[in-house]
Amino acid sequence: AQTVTQSQPEMSVQEAETVTLSCTYDTSENNYYLFWYKQPPSRQMILVIRQEAYKQQNATENRFSVNFQKAAKSFSLKISDSQLGDTAMYFCAFYDNNDMRFGAGTRLTVKP
Amino acid sequence: ETGVTQTPRHLVMGMTNKKSLKCEQHLGHNAMYWYKQSAKKPLELMFVYNFKEQTENNSVPSRFSPECPNSSHLFLHLHTLQPEDSALYLCASSQEGHGPGNTIYFGEGSWLTVV
Repeated sequence: AQTVTQSQPEMSVQEAETVTLSCTYDTSENNYYLFWYKQPPSRQMILVIRQEAYKQQNATENRFSVNFQKAAKSFSLKISDSQLGDTAMYFCAFYDNNDMRFGAGTRLTVKP
Repeated sequence: ETGVTQTPRHLVMGMTNKKSLKCEQHLGHNAMYWYKQSAKKPLELMFVYNFKEQTENNSVPSRFSPECPNSSHLFLHLHTLQPEDSALYLCASSQEGHGPGNTIYFGEGSWLTVV
């Protein structure tokens, strides 16, 4: 079974700085998909970014980018120029064979 | 606003009560899901409906009963719950079932407290 591990329960960053959230996963499959979801205090889960395992190029969405290390089974999220609105829980998720699993989340606080 | 609406947003119920959570999606999706989010635990998938048919039930106790009358609506009927069932229940939808090309859109959740 796949597991998704987020080793940082909480993190904080100063506004305008860069922060990286870690995620590792365990799988024996070669083709799969990885996601980062954001859950702000409003509780609405929002997709931030996704990565297909067969693509070597790291996905980027504006200030959000990932560092996908397939051999290391690592999928970290980098947030550049952090904004106060980035304060939220961030969940890493893994999809494979009709099974989607989430990590326990990292609570990120952006400080003014 | 992601197009997935859940009601009620907050619910407090006794262990002998019967209540229901409602989810409606306006995205034209064919798959809908119930997830349970407890404090400090990963999201737990409870049920999956694909084209109104239940395709997955992750060993959820029978005191939780889903109903999907059509592709746009999903209910979670609650009966004789336990205090440990208190959690945020998230509804979600996607174009089809869990699939790599199908982004999952979540509702805002229904916060359930069992007393």
